[in-house]
Amino acid sequence: KAGVTQTPRYLIKTRGQQVTLSCSPISGHRSVSWYQQTPGQGLQFLFEYFSETQRNKGNFPGRFSGRQFSNSRSEMNVSTLELGDSALYLCASSLPIPGGYEQYFGPGTRLTVT
Amino acid sequence: AQSVTQLDSHVSVSEGTPVLLRCNYSSSYSPSLFWYVQHPNKGLQLLLKYTSAATLVKGINGFEAEFKKSETSFHLTKPSAHMSDAAEYFCVVSVVGRDDKIIFGKGTRLHILP
Repeated sequence: KAGVTQTPRYLIKTRGQQVTLSCSPISGHRSVSWYQQTPGQGLQFLFEYFSETQRNKGNFPGRFSGRQFSNSRSEMNVSTLELGDSALYLCASSLPIPGGYEQYFGPGTRLTVT
Repeated sequence: AQSVTQLDSHVSVSEGTPVLLRCNYSSSYSPSLFWYVQHPNKGLQLLLKYTSAATLVKGINGFEAEFKKSETSFHLTKPSAHMSDAAEYFCVVSVVGRDDKIIFGKGTRLHILP
């Protein structure tokens, strides 16, 4: 099975612009989660989508949004970019297992805001 | 409420010596527990998982972890460190209940000394 794929892998944007990142989960996985990782704040949960519906949301401003399509592919969008949005954005698809969920991570998209 | 505490933000060991990365958790439900590894500028890779079967779990690259319910711990060990083990390690708890949750620890950076 192919793993989780994320595109693009690297992105450079300017303050005030917007950006869209894409994630394709492992075939058959219906849940997709997004995380932001920075040296200062570590790994922070953005949101989770399941069957095209947002199921959980972290503490991020409304500039961060996402969606999931019927084929489980997900996109996240950041509008009005700020310097502090520079980060590695990780996507994970989840598989239910007894007592929880097992996550499989993509390689990430490195976003640099200048 | 669920939480994960990784007791050390940095651990340094010499090559060929044992590795111990400590993780304590708190959960109202019976959790699933995971360890992930992240090499620089990469996504997270699953090392091993505990899902209420055997309490001693073997993972990839010679890593093991033991689930100790009485101590609410899930420490990661390896008998002999290798230079390629230098990375960041995340302990994760996943629960299914009133609110499905996946909670990450803040990470432990493992340094291997030659």
